[in-house]
Amino acid sequence: QQQVKQSPQSLIVQKGGISIINCAYENTAFDYFPWYQQFPGKGPALLIAIRPDVSEKKEGRFTISFNKSAKQFSLHIMDSQPGDSATYFCAASEKGFQKLVFGTGTRLLVSP
Amino acid sequence: ETGVTQTPRHLVMGMTNKKSLKCEQHLGHNAMYWYKQSAKKPLELMFVYNFKEQTENNSVPSRFSPECPNSSHLFLHLHTLQPEDSALYLCASSPKLGETQYFGPGTRLLVL
Repeated sequence: QQQVKQSPQSLIVQKGGISIINCAYENTAFDYFPWYQQFPGKGPALLIAIRPDVSEKKEGRFTISFNKSAKQFSLHIMDSQPGDSATYFCAASEKGFQKLVFGTGTRLLVSP
Repeated sequence: ETGVTQTPRHLVMGMTNKKSLKCEQHLGHNAMYWYKQSAKKPLELMFVYNFKEQTENNSVPSRFSPECPNSSHLFLHLHTLQPEDSALYLCASSPKLGETQYFGPGTRLLVL
């Protein structure tokens, strides 16, 4: 119930392409869905987040798509760049709940 | 770099050693967290502190002992660890419980 399933485990995208990472959850009480980006040797950093009252949120080249009925959400990176190469984690939490439940991560490599 | 610092960045210890990890946040946050990050596994929440009081112990073995002397500092005391405890230990903070968490760079721990 508390799991967040993330796929794919790794992804290789050509420069300029679209990177898509998917997450699915079971707990319908989740109401906050952030994505974190982690570079080697660094801690995860918040990239973008969404609440279930909207189906899409865009910040620059990064877009979260949210499908409440399917209990799925995804991260799209448009015009992917080599500097986007990192590990991406989706997460979810309940309102007022202190626990973030993380996916297992996707290692993205954007080839030049 | 975020306003959350962790020391040391790397630590090698034997199973009989006692060591401590330190986390400091300069963000004026009231909640602090310890996570364990192992390869190919989701980030695991270990402990949560809110206004210096522990609010969550996520079934962590007693060989890990947290300490939060004030809202800016968090320690993780380590004693008689096992090789499977080798991982990246991440500290995070948030303004309040349930709000966006900001991570430090982590301490890479190797238990021999």
